[in-house]
Amino acid sequence: KAGVTQTPRYLIKTRGQQVTLSCSPISGHRSVSWYQQTPGQGLQFLFEYFSETQRNKGNFPGRFSGRQFSNSRSEMNVSTLELGDSALYLCASSFTGGNQPQHFGDGTRLSIL
Amino acid sequence: AQSVTQLDSQVPVFEEAPVELRCNYSSSVSVYLFWYVQYPNQGLQLLLKYLSGSTLVKGINGFEAEFNKSQTSFHLRKPSVHISDTAEYFCAVNTMDSSYKLIFGSGTRLLVRP
Repeated sequence: KAGVTQTPRYLIKTRGQQVTLSCSPISGHRSVSWYQQTPGQGLQFLFEYFSETQRNKGNFPGRFSGRQFSNSRSEMNVSTLELGDSALYLCASSFTGGNQPQHFGDGTRLSIL
Repeated sequence: AQSVTQLDSQVPVFEEAPVELRCNYSSSVSVYLFWYVQYPNQGLQLLLKYLSGSTLVKGINGFEAEFNKSQTSFHLRKPSVHISDTAEYFCAVNTMDSSYKLIFGSGTRLLVRP
């Protein structure tokens, strides 16, 4: 059974650009969550989607957005990139969310120049 | 609001020695607790979870953890570590009112020396 797949694995952008990251959950999983990991702030929750609906959102500016498609695949978008957006972005999936264990992908490492 | 504290940023230990990684949480409601491991350039892998029932939880790779409600702790233990256990370990909490998000501790780097 394939795990959570995130693409691309690495990305380099410059300030002011925008970026879209993709996540394919484990087959059958309908809940997808996104996290940002940085050395200074650690792992922080961005948002969670279930059946194409955002159910929860973390404390990030509106430049960070996401969506989920009918096949449960998810994308997150960051507009007007800032140097501080450099991070590892992790996607996690579970069957329905809640207290179920989340299974993580290997992440997309975003570097802002 | 919920929070998770991992008291040790780094734990050095010799191979085949026992280890304990400490985790304390703060929550006014019932919690679900998890330990994840992260190897370099990889995502997080679930080691074990506590949802309910027995307070001693066994996970993969010989790890176990004990939920202590009175001390609000969920410490991770392994009786004998291997070089391959060198990694970053994260404790996380999920609660009924945090609605689908994991709140992570700052992580503990386990460094196993030969």
